[in-house]
Amino acid sequence: AQSVTQPDIHITVSEGASLELRCNYSYGATPYLFWYVQSPGQGLQLLLKYFSGDTLVQGIKGFEAEFKRSQSSFNLRKPSVHWSDAAEYFCAVAINYGQNFVFGPGTRLSVLP
Amino acid sequence: ETGVTQSPTHLIKTRGQQVTLRCSSQSGHNTVSWYQQALGQGPQFIFQYYREEENGRGNFPPRFSGLQFPNYSSELNVNALELDDSALYLCASTQGARETQYFGPGTRLLVL
Repeated sequence: AQSVTQPDIHITVSEGASLELRCNYSYGATPYLFWYVQSPGQGLQLLLKYFSGDTLVQGIKGFEAEFKRSQSSFNLRKPSVHWSDAAEYFCAVAINYGQNFVFGPGTRLSVLP
Repeated sequence: ETGVTQSPTHLIKTRGQQVTLRCSSQSGHNTVSWYQQALGQGPQFIFQYYREEENGRGNFPPRFSGLQFPNYSSELNVNALELDDSALYLCASTQGARETQYFGPGTRLLVL
């Protein structure tokens, strides 16, 4: 069965510092990969997605993610964090887009001024 | 603002009751998915509807059912509510299999 792990439950960084959120998945083939962000009381917003091709994916709000097949990872990065980035971040995978969509448990990001 | 709306925003029910949650998809989107997000967890896929037909289902019992209407709005129905059904229910709409899913703000259900 597919599974997604996000090893860090909670991360705290200072504003302006760099950020990396980890995501590992377990699946025989390369699934579709996604990162979503959820602010308190809000729905989920797609940051970026990977289907195939270039393993470095650019997203919105200055985020990027790198797919590493050998490590079954899809880590999210941002070079300089802003206070408004404080939120919950979810990694997700899907065998076929839209079907059997599996989310990780999430990583809560706090940003210090 | 994603253009996806859900109603109601909050709901309180008692165990054994039935509930209907509603979702209005973004204009032109023919696919809708429903998710359950328990407190402190990631969303779990319930099912997806494409052009009024169920197009995939997660590991949820049959008492979770859905409908999609010709205008692509959607309902999630849950019968015989259990305490563990307390969660945030999210719907997401998309125009096609490879397109971005747009999420609504969710309906928070509390079962007492």
